[in-house]
Amino acid sequence: DIVMTQSPDSLAVSLGERATINCKSSESILYKSSNQNCLGWYQQKPGQPPKLLIYWASTREAGVPDRFSGSGSGTDFTLTISSLQAEDVATYYCHQYFDTPTFGQGTKVEIK
Amino acid sequence: EVQLMESGGGLVQPGGSQRLSCEASGFTFSTHVMHWVRQAPGKGLEFVSAISSDGDKTYYAESVKGRFTISRDNSKNTLHLQMGSLRPEDMAVYYCARVGPLSNSWSWYFDLWGRGTLVTVSS
Repeated sequence: DIVMTQSPDSLAVSLGERATINCKSSESILYKSSNQNCLGWYQQKPGQPPKLLIYWASTREAGVPDRFSGSGSGTDFTLTISSLQAEDVATYYCHQYFDTPTFGQGTKVEIK
Repeated sequence: EVQLMESGGGLVQPGGSQRLSCEASGFTFSTHVMHWVRQAPGKGLEFVSAISSDGDKTYYAESVKGRFTISRDNSKNTLHLQMGSLRPEDMAVYYCARVGPLSNSWSWYFDLWGRGTLVTVSS
């Protein structure tokens, strides 16, 4: 299986500041026929199911605030929250769907 | 309202069986590949099983292969997971998840999740 490794495991960011989460896959997840990376990002708040934020590495799901953005290609990806809001406190997971689905271990985002 | 609702969780002894269900509403269930994803207490997300839109193809994580069976009834908009030979490490919240639109593969991003049902494996 493709191993997804996120960094850091947790981070504390001041309100209004930028939060950056990294995700690295053990092999390329670039779907060459369409030149798209099979990478999604999810937000999970305590007691709730995951919520899709980003798919194809950089496409924002409908209704997701534009302070959330995704980037990267091949094996290295980033989720950026440009200006952290209180409601963004959550754990974030990356997910590859190039092969049998696997997830990163999660990154917990808190307010500093 | 577009939603998925799991049921069937509970306390089961090691070696026992349990059947989970997921009822879909608000969308055309029969056109979507569906998955089960689980989350052990305080842990991350883990793929369990998937089924094609017509039910002809099924996929399993190695950790559950031979013990779990996924199925669906498109006439009742329902997804099932029959779990057998349960182990303590199977204890988790089990989510059903819908793959996003226009999927051309069984492995795809998930655009809709249920709230989950907790399976506790303990004597």
